[in-house]
Amino acid sequence: DTAVSQTPKYLVTQMGNDKSIKCEQNLGHDTMYWYKQDSKKFLKIMFSYNNKELIINETVPNRFSPKSPDKAHLNLHINSLELGDSAVYFCASSRGRTDTQYFGPGTRLTVL
Amino acid sequence: AQSVTQPDIHITVSEGASLELRCNYSYGATPYLFWYVQSPGQGLQLLLKYFSGDTLVQGIKGFEAEFKRSQSSFNLRKPSVHWSDAAEYFCAVGVGNAGNMLTFGGGTRLMVKP
Repeated sequence: DTAVSQTPKYLVTQMGNDKSIKCEQNLGHDTMYWYKQDSKKFLKIMFSYNNKELIINETVPNRFSPKSPDKAHLNLHINSLELGDSAVYFCASSRGRTDTQYFGPGTRLTVL
Repeated sequence: AQSVTQPDIHITVSEGASLELRCNYSYGATPYLFWYVQSPGQGLQLLLKYFSGDTLVQGIKGFEAEFKRSQSSFNLRKPSVHWSDAAEYFCAVGVGNAGNMLTFGGGTRLMVKP
């Protein structure tokens, strides 16, 4: 079974739309993350979240918001999509905040 | 602010040859350091990590890395490369109170010649 899964794998949408990417982990981890990988392969942390604390990278626009319906899920909502949001988005999880992060396979978002 | 530099964008080595991938970081405190590997179309897999203690760290798949504080480096090494090692390699520094907000370098693409 996949430890960290993301849906969809590919997402193509128009500028201005609102979209969500789902992430689920079956590892029983307490902390989950979202990362953005741009076209030059640069990876940047967006959020770190557990049931007590949300840490936001200050460079992330407030159009991006993580939502966690339960400990196993951390979905990424993006409002008013822009061309520059096109990237691969990775979800990750870890048992504790200092433990190894396990990454999902990524979601390639293309904004037209 | 913290930063990670991987000076080599591409490296090509022959199968069986030794490998060293360079990583330099900039961070004001004692860093948590990581190396991840990304195969095409895949997520990232942790190779090894350094939090404290012995500066020579052993990882999976025969990789090791050495933390050198004086040089702000955390270079990844493997004595004998296999064709299956061809991938993208990322060095990262962990920041924040728990060291879990990872800042990644730009990656090094490793190609392996038969």
